[in-house]
Amino acid sequence: VQLVESGGGLVQPGKSLKLSCSASGFTFSSYGMHWIRQAPGKGLDWVAYISSSSGTVYADAVKGRFTISRDNAKNTLYLQLNSLKSEDTAIYYCARGLGAGYWGQGVMVTVSS
Amino acid sequence: DIQMTQSPSFLSASVGDRVTINCKASQNINKYLNWYQQKLGEAPKRLIYNTNNLQTGIPSRFSGSGSGTDYTLTISSLQPEDFATYFCLQHNSLYTFGAGTKLELK
Repeated sequence: VQLVESGGGLVQPGKSLKLSCSASGFTFSSYGMHWIRQAPGKGLDWVAYISSSSGTVYADAVKGRFTISRDNAKNTLYLQLNSLKSEDTAIYYCARGLGAGYWGQGVMVTVSS
Repeated sequence: DIQMTQSPSFLSASVGDRVTINCKASQNINKYLNWYQQKLGEAPKRLIYNTNNLQTGIPSRFSGSGSGTDYTLTISSLQPEDFATYFCLQHNSLYTFGAGTKLELK
């Protein structure tokens, strides 16, 4: 199982960013997937989940601003981040399965002017 | 929303010690409780799923127990590589992490 996040970087408040998570080593289409984040020096914060049938749920803090999606043909999970705030600054991890059994190494998103 | 209260926040212990970390849910989570270990600069690694199931490849000195609202991670004999931060995660109703326990060498 391998999960590799990309797309992070420095972005100004109010702007947008799209993260990707490339999956390999398993049948991607069969698994739900999470995005989970960790602000610098802080604990873990669940962001969103998409089921294998593309049903989605979101944490209240990101509902209406972030969108989780997937492309099973490309074995890739996405997170579209809109209307970014400084408090969205974090390492963003993707994780496999309802029970978040395997995680990628994460990608840093910094929201600052 | 379900809240998770993890304790202690910090724990000092020695190699060979037995330690326990606790998570208390604000309501019954039906044993849908996982434990993770995170080392500095690394992604979290799942140790235990659904209260007491050991992840493949995790040493048997790690164990989990609990039911209802109260759950425990036990490390039976601390090894040098176990000094890290530990988190619980409930996945009974959406997902909520505990705040973490930093396990330090005494």
